[in-house]
Amino acid sequence: GIQVEQSPPDLILQEGANSTLRCNFSDSVNNLQWFHQNPWGQLINLFYIPSGTKQNGRLSATTVATERYSLLYISSSQTTDSGVYFCAGNSGNTPLVFGKGTRLSVIA
Amino acid sequence: EPEVTQTPSHQVTQMGQEVILRCVPISNHLYFYWYRQILGQKVEFLVSFYNNEISEKSEIFDDQFSVERPDGSNFTLKIRSTKLEDSAMYFCASTSLQANTEAFFGQGTRLTVV
Repeated sequence: GIQVEQSPPDLILQEGANSTLRCNFSDSVNNLQWFHQNPWGQLINLFYIPSGTKQNGRLSATTVATERYSLLYISSSQTTDSGVYFCAGNSGNTPLVFGKGTRLSVIA
Repeated sequence: EPEVTQTPSHQVTQMGQEVILRCVPISNHLYFYWYRQILGQKVEFLVSFYNNEISEKSEIFDDQFSVERPDGSNFTLKIRSTKLEDSAMYFCASTSLQANTEAFFGQGTRLTVV
């Protein structure tokens, strides 16, 4: 099945800094989603982005499907951005496969 | 905005007891899923369900697990005889189609087996 690699595994940022999180896939995917897991464990859906670029406030994401990767950009980071960011993808009728996540800590 | 809801948000149970985790998928969705996340690890697929039957299951989904859609709205995960290692966050998800569509996740049920 598809393998999903996320980098970096851990990231510490000063408040106000920008960051880029990366997700690589071992094979082509039809679906790709980014999630933020908050301190209470809830998965917050950030983007559904099988291809192209989307923006939502300070967050944006780009997926280059032909090269099997996606990037999540966080600009002007805030302490509330802390948590674990997961990407997940699938192809055809297979279930979503998650990466191991990037643990982001934003310090004031 | 439609959402997937899960109850309870937190369940504590004694080892060997049966637990039922409940989910209400988005009303017009047809495919339902359970995922599990052991603390500090990644989210893993357990089972998918379509047209009142299991369509796919992982190695984790052994005989102690079962799923059911008892009525037109609920989707349940039953663990027959819980073990300490079943302690995890359990997520329900639903999609309108099986392929090429966004999955919507519930807020999760944190199961603690003592």
